[in-house]
Amino acid sequence: NAGVMQNPRHLVRRRGQEARLRCSPMKGHSHVYWYRQLPEEGLKFMVYLQKENIIDESGMPKERFSAEFPKEGPSILRIQQVVRGDSAAYFCASSPGGGEQPQHFGDGTRLSIL
Amino acid sequence: GESVGLHLPTLSVQEGDNSIINCAYSNSASDYFIWYKQESGKGPQFIIDIRSNMDKRQGQRVTVLLNKTVKHLSLQIAATQPGDSAVYFCAENPTTSGTYKYIFGTGTRLKVLA
Repeated sequence: NAGVMQNPRHLVRRRGQEARLRCSPMKGHSHVYWYRQLPEEGLKFMVYLQKENIIDESGMPKERFSAEFPKEGPSILRIQQVVRGDSAAYFCASSPGGGEQPQHFGDGTRLSIL
Repeated sequence: GESVGLHLPTLSVQEGDNSIINCAYSNSASDYFIWYKQESGKGPQFIIDIRSNMDKRQGQRVTVLLNKTVKHLSLQIAATQPGDSAVYFCAENPTTSGTYKYIFGTGTRLKVLA
């Protein structure tokens, strides 16, 4: 039973390029969450999606960042025109529903901006 | 609110001893709490959760205690093993907010001494 799958595990981009991070939730899970983590810090919520809907994007910067979870395929976190400050680990989590059910995390994508 | 730490607090424990990791949460509206373990280069791994209508919950070698009066959560690990070395995060979910974003604490690094 595969867990949450994220790819790529490592991504290097130059300033101004676009970064696309992918997340396939656990089988049977229809809720996806994206978090960002800086070294030696806790995870910071970015966005919560269900299939084809953004439920809560209160943690996502208004500019350059977008997320989607299409009917078919993985969830995508997209960062346009990346800057050095975007360097971080980005984690995706999924759960079967909302509410009091634990979110299960993938191993993240480590984004480095040159 | 959330605090940003430059250095994670560290707990060093002798192998075989019990460990107690503490967490102060911020939101009195939170009614669901989770402990995660994060090893280097990996995503957070679910350990145990507790709902606000409970003050104690036990798992395999782990116990979570919740004190809502002082907004305090603790994780007890019995007979600590080298494989327990990791960073431990508590997370709270203010489910009354209508969304399911977790608020993570800053984390505690557990070092198990042989």
